[in-house]
Amino acid sequence: TQLLEQSPQFLSIQEGENLTVYCNSSSVFSSLQWYRQEPGEGPVLLVTVVTGGEVKKLKRLTFQFGDARKDSSLHITAAQPGDTGLYLCADITTPHGTNAGKSTFGDGTTLTVKP
Amino acid sequence: NAGVMQNPRHLVRRRGQEARLRCSPMKGHSHVYWYRQLPEEGLKFMVYLQKENIIDESGMPKERFSAEFPKEGPSILRIQQVVRGDSAAYFCASSPQVGDQPQHFGDGTRLSIL
Repeated sequence: TQLLEQSPQFLSIQEGENLTVYCNSSSVFSSLQWYRQEPGEGPVLLVTVVTGGEVKKLKRLTFQFGDARKDSSLHITAAQPGDTGLYLCADITTPHGTNAGKSTFGDGTTLTVKP
Repeated sequence: NAGVMQNPRHLVRRRGQEARLRCSPMKGHSHVYWYRQLPEEGLKFMVYLQKENIIDESGMPKERFSAEFPKEGPSILRIQQVVRGDSAAYFCASSPQVGDQPQHFGDGTRLSIL
């Protein structure tokens, strides 16, 4: 069974600071996703990365995928209060013979950005 | 999270009652997944269904829990004889028919057991 470990579990910073959160897997990722979840809502997909060493940018967010495809980081530049939320990493595994898969999630990093 | 509709958003039940959670997938999606989330934790997979078929129920408790996705209508997650430990947020996700596309999530049903 794949285990995804995210760190830190909680992070509280001031507006304007930079931060990095991490996701490590006990096995190679099939397809890594990062989600953000706000209180009372479902997770919203931020990015999907597949290739080892891949770097993707989404405005102030930078996602890195390790060369060995077992770890990933999310870096936020100049954090804003609107970035507050639970950041989850996940892997989609596709059962043999099917066209779609289930996701395995880490427990997330709860980020609070204070104004 | 427009597209995947879950209802009710909040559900309160007393111990021993039944809870029924509904999920309507995005238009054109024939794969439905149910997840459970406890406070300050990630989502834990419960069951994966296609129309009229259960594909993977490895995450669902063997007793009291069942799921269906009929040919017509929403997917239903049913919990019989609820206990306090069933209190959680239950999320549904859907994905397209072809390919391992990322899943789109609904906003969940918060189940509280008194």
